[in-house]
Amino acid sequence: DIVMTQTPLSLSVTPGQSASISCKSSQSLLHSDGKTYLYWYLQKAGRSPQLLMYEVSSRFFGVPDRFSGSGSGTDFTLKIGRVEAEDVGVYYCMQGIHLPLTFGGGTKVDMK
Amino acid sequence: QVQLVQSGAEVKKPGASVKVSCKASGYTFTGYYMHWVRQAPGQGLEWMGWIKPNTGGTNYAQKFQGRVTMTRDTSISTAYMELSSLRSDDTAVYYCARDPTGSGWYYYFDRWGQGTLVTVSS
Repeated sequence: DIVMTQTPLSLSVTPGQSASISCKSSQSLLHSDGKTYLYWYLQKAGRSPQLLMYEVSSRFFGVPDRFSGSGSGTDFTLKIGRVEAEDVGVYYCMQGIHLPLTFGGGTKVDMK
Repeated sequence: QVQLVQSGAEVKKPGASVKVSCKASGYTFTGYYMHWVRQAPGQGLEWMGWIKPNTGGTNYAQKFQGRVTMTRDTSISTAYMELSSLRSDDTAVYYCARDPTGSGWYYYFDRWGQGTLVTVSS
């Protein structure tokens, strides 16, 4: 199984400051079609996960442009440009190309 | 709008089975794979498998092989996940999640159900 490793485990951020979350996969997520199948989800307290980013760097509908994704192969980063109160929750990366699908362990983001 | 509405919370004894439903609306049910993902209390997300509603084809995570059965009823746009031989460590919130790709070789989830808490306790 592909192991997805997220760091840090938790992040405490001052409103308006930026935040970065790292995600590393144990195998490349680059497909022969040239696309890389790495996704980011945010789970707010007591809610279902919601899709933020697909294929590394594409924002899902309605996701603010302060969210950006980057990376390739096995190393990926989610950046929140200016953190707002509504951004608190647990962020998960997920690989979508190797079964079983696997998630990172999560990064909890809260406000200072 | 796309909605996935799941059945209510369940309490089961060890060794029993549970069947969770996921009713889809706002889109063509047979056009999208449906996945099941679970989350134990305070833990991360764990993929269980998918069902292809138009054919009924399934693919289960090896961890759940032999214990999980995913089915669907296309007449009512509903997917089901049944887990048998329940143990205390099956206590979790179970989510259905729609897959927009239709590809069969890469997967992700764009919509999630609200989750169903299954508690396994004697």
